[in-house]
Amino acid sequence: EAQVTQNPRYLITVTGKKLTVTCSQNMNHEYMSWYRQDPGLGLRQIYYSMNVEVTDKGDVPEGYKVSRKEKRNFPLILESPSPNQTSLYFCASSSPGLAGGRYNEQFFGPGTRLTVL
Amino acid sequence: GDSVTQMEGPVTLSEEAFLTINCTYTATGYPSLFWYVQYPGEGLQLLLKATKADDKGSNKGFEATYRKETTSFHLEKGSVQVSDSAVYFCALSDPAGGSYIPTFGRGTSLIVHP
Repeated sequence: EAQVTQNPRYLITVTGKKLTVTCSQNMNHEYMSWYRQDPGLGLRQIYYSMNVEVTDKGDVPEGYKVSRKEKRNFPLILESPSPNQTSLYFCASSSPGLAGGRYNEQFFGPGTRLTVL
Repeated sequence: GDSVTQMEGPVTLSEEAFLTINCTYTATGYPSLFWYVQYPGEGLQLLLKATKADDKGSNKGFEATYRKETTSFHLEKGSVQVSDSAVYFCALSDPAGGSYIPTFGRGTSLIVHP
């Protein structure tokens, strides 16, 4: 089954304790991205990657790191989490296709609900 | 840069009512337009899309028409059901304008009462 998986689905942690949220896709997609969703603010892009070893900042990258060492995986790293990073996080993937991304449908993971105390 | 503006919610309707959720956009190039839906506790999934002016995307009774002259892509459904309760996101993809990853609106929550 074509899918994007995220782990963990739920995480409660404390300020300053490093954590990693994993994301994996089995569709051989080139593009992957991370979003956070907050009430009243909608979906905001954190980082995106257009291929292995190619990453770029989205709208709200502060406090986050990513890496893309393999095509299928795109982990999100919080080196020193703070309470303002409490949020619902989504990973997504897509393929540029023949039109360079113009028609690309995003496939989303189920989400990771993070609470930082 | 590119942007998407959606009407604020929540939109509250009775079952079988007519639904419109407004979406307008600004884009540098000639974007493709999308509607995504997020059911409670789930990730977003594509509902419908349109890739050129005057195209109509449709799925599950929902429709949206790409209006280039008004830069709009309003979502409509003739008769909503309780199961349509969800958050709806309008989005655009505009690689020519530098948006290789779609730009999303803030989302509109729809609540349908029996």
